[in-house]
Formats: sequence, structure tokens, C-alpha cells
Amino acid sequence: AQKVTQAQTEISVVEKEDVTLDCVYETRDTTYYLFWYKQPPSGELVFLIRRNSFDEQNEISGRYSWNFQKSTSSFNFTITASQVVDSAVYFCALSGRNSGNTPLVFGKGTRLSVIA
Amino acid sequence: KAGVTQTPRYLIKTRGQQVTLSCSPISGHRSVSWYQQTPGQGLQFLFEYFSETQRNKGNFPGRFSGRQFSNSRSEMNVSTLELGDSALYLCASSTRTGGNNYGYTFGSGTRLTVV
Repeated sequence: AQKVTQAQTEISVVEKEDVTLDCVYETRDTTYYLFWYKQPPSGELVFLIRRNSFDEQNEISGRYSWNFQKSTSSFNFTITASQVVDSAVYFCALSGRNSGNTPLVFGKGTRLSVIA
Repeated sequence: KAGVTQTPRYLIKTRGQQVTLSCSPISGHRSVSWYQQTPGQGLQFLFEYFSETQRNKGNFPGRFSGRQFSNSRSEMNVSTLELGDSALYLCASSTRTGGNNYGYTFGSGTRLTVV
């Protein structure tokens, strides 16, 4: 079975603070993909990043960075110098690949509120 | 290029009725997946279609069904609606099953309220 846990239900920060969203996953697949999506109030899920299980390199994209550690089964997401526009619900998701392409399994999400 | 289009955006139905939701994927995308989002259960996978064939199905009762047309547009149907079916239904498209290098592209969803 596959599972994604986002222990932080809600986080509130003041603008310009750094914030890290945690994601822990469980899977028996040796090949899998991890994703982060952002859901603004409009409802659609906006793709942020995909990482495969063989690539543990950290990634930075502007103010966003991701830390993937297979040893701890974690794929954490950091926003540097947060802005009000970052306020949204963020979802971590997993898709196994050992038995073909399996659907996305989502965590419960973390609601981030950035206060001006 | 146009994104994933879901219609209608909002819907109110009565218990016992049935409902059909529509999803038009990005042009060239042949895979369409449906997810249900509720406050209690979060995002749950309903089913995925690729080239008019159902490729995967989630753990939902038979009241939930779907189909895909030759132009890749997809519909999902829920019969005999229950209050618990109230949710945001999200559709996602991809070039192939299981997502592409950039994951799935999601639509804005249809918010269904059952009263």
C-alpha cells in the first residue's frame, strides 16, 4: 500500500519568513514518483515539481526548494521569503511504478497562510 | 494553449438524483483521471481513462461511473446521489497513463452539493 503523510495541517507565517512543508511517504515500490501540487482558492491543483525515486538531488526553483531523502522517506518543500500569494493548500503526492503506472496518492494537504 | 476544462463549475442536486460531470483535456492528451476531494477524506482517485478504455479504478461504489469519448473528452456520472457525494470533483489530463514528465494537469473542478 502507498501512503503520504503531511503532518502539518495548517501553518501560518509572516511575510518574508521561510517555511518548510513536510511530507513523509510509504511505498514498497522501488520505482516511484513524488509530486508537490499547490491548490489556490480557485480550486485547481497547480503542478510544482515531480521527482523520481532515483534522483535524490535537491532542487531549487526561485524561492522554492525541495529536499528529497530516501533514507527517511521524506520529500520536504521549503518556501524562502514567503509572500502573501503563496497562501494556498499544498499537497504532496506519490505514484508507484513497479506494477505499471499507479494513480496519484495524495497527502491530506497543508494549508499555508502568509500574513502581510 | 487551453487547459483542462471542467463543466459545470458548480452544481446543486437533490438526494437520489443523478449527475453528469464533463472534462475536456488539454489538446493532445489522451489520459483523463478523476479525483474526489472532500474535507474528511481528502483527494481520492476515482478512475482513469486512456483511449476510451478504463485503465484504473479507485475504491468507490458502482454508483460512480465514467467514460471517455474518441476526442478524449470524459464524463463521470454519479447515480442515486447521497449527501456524502458532496465534494469537489477534479479532472486531470496527461499525455499517457500514469502522468507524464510534468505530472498531471488539473482542471478547476466541479463543486457538487447534494441537498
